[in-house]
Amino acid sequence: QVQLQESGPGLVRPSGTLSLTCVVSGGSISSSNWWNWVRQPPGKGLEWIGDIYHSGSPNYNPSLKSRVTISVDKSKNQLSLKLTSVTAADTGVYYCAIPSRGIGAFDVWGQGTMVTVSA
Amino acid sequence: QSVLTQPPSVSGAPGQRVTISCTGTSSNIGAGYDVHWYQQLPGTAPKLLIYGTTNRPSGVPDRFSGSKSGTSASLAITGLQAEDEADYYCQSYDSSLSGSQVFGGGTKLTVL
Repeated sequence: QVQLQESGPGLVRPSGTLSLTCVVSGGSISSSNWWNWVRQPPGKGLEWIGDIYHSGSPNYNPSLKSRVTISVDKSKNQLSLKLTSVTAADTGVYYCAIPSRGIGAFDVWGQGTMVTVSA
Repeated sequence: QSVLTQPPSVSGAPGQRVTISCTGTSSNIGAGYDVHWYQQLPGTAPKLLIYGTTNRPSGVPDRFSGSKSGTSASLAITGLQAEDEADYYCQSYDSSLSGSQVFGGGTKLTVL
């Protein structure tokens, strides 16, 4: 069973860049899968950020497309997220998630990592 | 404002049946794309409850069921239990948004 573990700085300054990683264990990031990032502001709902196939181009939420970069590091078996020009609205829990059984739905999630944007 | 619309809250007494709606458009649910449902307990990651509109992953009680009609989908929970109190989210794919996954705004279920 694939497991996902997010990590990164818990505090980012406004206008800075949010950088997170998601380490994959129990499986290979080169497997046939779409690797996703989802976020959740405090007390609010889920928002899909984007996804990437290990050998393809990423897809991004149009509302974030100008600021987000998702990439895969096969040597480290991990997924990365970079979000530039952050504001307080980017504060929240960030999850990586995958449809591990090819069912389209996200059946494997990381535990999430909280990121606060504040001076 | 979410692409998929859910009621902010629903409630029911133990043993009762409740339904949570998820309303979309012709570019997502109405286009025939699958709908998935997640349950999120406080402080935890979402858990897959229903996939492919009507299918339950192993381990999910058959008290939970999903359906779809036109541009809307529904999650039904029968025999309501205190442990069902949580937030529920629907998810689908939207072809008008450059190929985006979209979520509903979430519904808080309160067991009275």
